[in-house]
Amino acid sequence: EDQVTQSPEALRLQEGESSSLNCSYTVSGLRGLFWYRQDPGKGPEFLFTLYSAGEEKEKERLKATLTKKESFLHITAPKPEDSATYLCAARASGTYKYIFGTGTRLKVLA
Amino acid sequence: EPEVTQTPSHQVTQMGQEVILRCVPISNHLYFYWYRQILGQKVEFLVSFYNNEISEKSEIFDDQFSVERPDGSNFTLKIRSTKLEDSAMYFCASSGSVSNQPQHFGDGTRLSIL
Repeated sequence: EDQVTQSPEALRLQEGESSSLNCSYTVSGLRGLFWYRQDPGKGPEFLFTLYSAGEEKEKERLKATLTKKESFLHITAPKPEDSATYLCAARASGTYKYIFGTGTRLKVLA
Repeated sequence: EPEVTQTPSHQVTQMGQEVILRCVPISNHLYFYWYRQILGQKVEFLVSFYNNEISEKSEIFDDQFSVERPDGSNFTLKIRSTKLEDSAMYFCASSGSVSNQPQHFGDGTRLSIL
C-alpha cells in the first residue's frame, strides 16, 4: 500500500536554529514528491515539487531534497513567520491523487 | 497570483440534509480535485475530475457524493444525505496538468454536521 510518513510530528526551534523535516515514502513508481505549507484555518500552500532522486529545490530559507526512499525539507536560520505545518505528499504512477503525510508542526520562537 | 476560491468558508447542516460545496478553480486549469481533512488527521483524496467526468475516486467517495462542473468556472461537491462522520474540512484543488504541474488548493470549507 502506498504510504507517506513524516517526522517529527512537532518541532520547536529558536529563531536562527536550522533543522530538517523528514518525509519517508513507499509509493509505486513515484511521479512527484510535493511539499506544502499549511497555516491554521488555511489550505495547503504549494512549496516544491521533486521528481527524481538527487533533485534539490530552494526557496528563501527552505531547501527540499529527494532520495529513493525519503525527502527532507531543510530550514536554514528560521524566523517566527516560518511557523506552520509542513505537509509532504506523493503521487504514484497511474493515479491522479496525492497521498499526504500527517505533517510536521513547526514552531519558531523569537 | 491566481488562486482557488471556495465557498462557503463554514457550513453547518443537520444530519440527513443535502449540502453543496462550491469551488472556483484557477481559470486555465483542466484537472480538479476534492480532498477532505478530518480534524487532527491526514488530508485524504476524494475524487479527481477531468474533461467533464470523474477520472479517479477513493473508497470514501461513495454513492452519497457527487461532483459537477455546472458551467465554465465552478466545480461543486454534493453530499446527498449527510452523516455526522462527514464533518471535516473539504479542500478543492486544481492543476494545469497531471504530470508536471502541482495541485493548488483553496482554503477549504469547514463542514459541521449536527
